[in-house]
Order: sequence, then structure tokens, then C-alpha cells
Amino acid sequence: NAGVTQTPKFQVLKTGQSMTLQCAQDMNHNSMYWYRQDPGMGLRLIYYSASEGTTDKGEVPNGYNVSRLNKREFSLRLESAAPSQTSVYFCASRRTGTTTEAFFGQGTRLTVV
Amino acid sequence: TQLLEQSPQFLSIQEGENLTVYCNSSSVFSSLQWYRQEPGEGPVLLVTVVTGGEVKKLKRLTFQFGDARKDSSLHITAAQPGDTGLYLCAGPGSQGNLIFGKGTKLSVKP
Repeated sequence: NAGVTQTPKFQVLKTGQSMTLQCAQDMNHNSMYWYRQDPGMGLRLIYYSASEGTTDKGEVPNGYNVSRLNKREFSLRLESAAPSQTSVYFCASRRTGTTTEAFFGQGTRLTVV
Repeated sequence: TQLLEQSPQFLSIQEGENLTVYCNSSSVFSSLQWYRQEPGEGPVLLVTVVTGGEVKKLKRLTFQFGDARKDSSLHITAAQPGDTGLYLCAGPGSQGNLIFGKGTKLSVKP
């Protein structure tokens, strides 16, 4: 059972470089999320997709773009990386509903130098 | 804006002690969830509480949802080193998103 798969697990970028973080889930979930986690800040929502074909901004969307490619895949793109985007990024998915369990990937540790 | 505030931010205790961590908001939530996160891993769901005043037990962990559905607590009895981790509360946002608190980092020393 794969669950939520994120790639890559680690990445180092230079300031100004671009990259795409990939996320795929095999649980047929409608909702998918991208969070960043910084020390002492908990999980902050970057973007989410409540269903295939829709995306919405979360708390900290600046500097990021997303694509809900299909029901399984939700990618996060950094067009011009900045040191402030150094963080651990988590993708999550869950079934539609306010009480459903969110399943998380193992995270991508990104360092921008 | 819906916010979830957790306290304390850090907690370091000895094995066998009891502890309580809190999750508070000025907003009413239809439900709240508690997740535990271990280093290098994503959060994993522990429990969902949906009814004001509800108490749920998971072995040595007791979760309570406030009567007004604005707060929740997690009580651990006789903590063990395996309980070490980051405890996060989460609640549904008004637009289909999922809001997290900043977490309580628990360290249980043998």
C-alpha cells in the first residue's frame, strides 16, 4: 500500500532556480494539500485542491504554483527559489468530508542556498 | 481567520509522569483531530472528536472536546519514551481546507 508518495525526498537549490515537487496518492481521495513545516511554526497550508480541477490558495501561497494534474497527482512548483523557501514540504490527501483522516507523504526537505 | 493555538510548545518529562496538552481557538469547530508526528515522517492521525463534551480513549491517551467545541485536550497517563513526538491538533477550515496548530513537542526521557 503506497498511500501518498512524494518525490524527491531531499533537494538543494540555488537561489533563483526552479523545481517541481511531485505528489501522488493511490487512495482515490478527492482532496489534496501542500503544507510547509518550519521549526516552531507547525504545518502551514500553501495550496489545496478540494477536487480534481480546482485549486485554492492557503495561508502562505506566495512564490508557489500548483497543478492538480488528475485525481491522483498534485504538484507544487517553485518558479524562482528563495532562501525563505527552505523548509520541509508535505503533501497530504483525504476523502471529502470534515472528519476524514488526512494521509501524509514522508516529506521533501528543501534547502535553498 | 480560524486559528488553533497549542500549549505548551515544548514539554520534557520523565517516563511514568502524566501530562496534558491543549488546543484552543476563538472559533467553533465542527470537529477536531489530533495527529502525532515522529522525526522524518509525516503526521499520523490519532483521533477525531466530533461532539461537544466528547471523551475518547486510546490506551493511555485520553482526548476531550470542549463543550463549546472551541478547544480540545490530550492527556497522557504514565508517559513512555515511545510517546515522544510532535502532537498536532487540526480542524476543518471554512473552505474545505485543514488547519493545523503549531504543535506541542513532547520528549519523554527514560
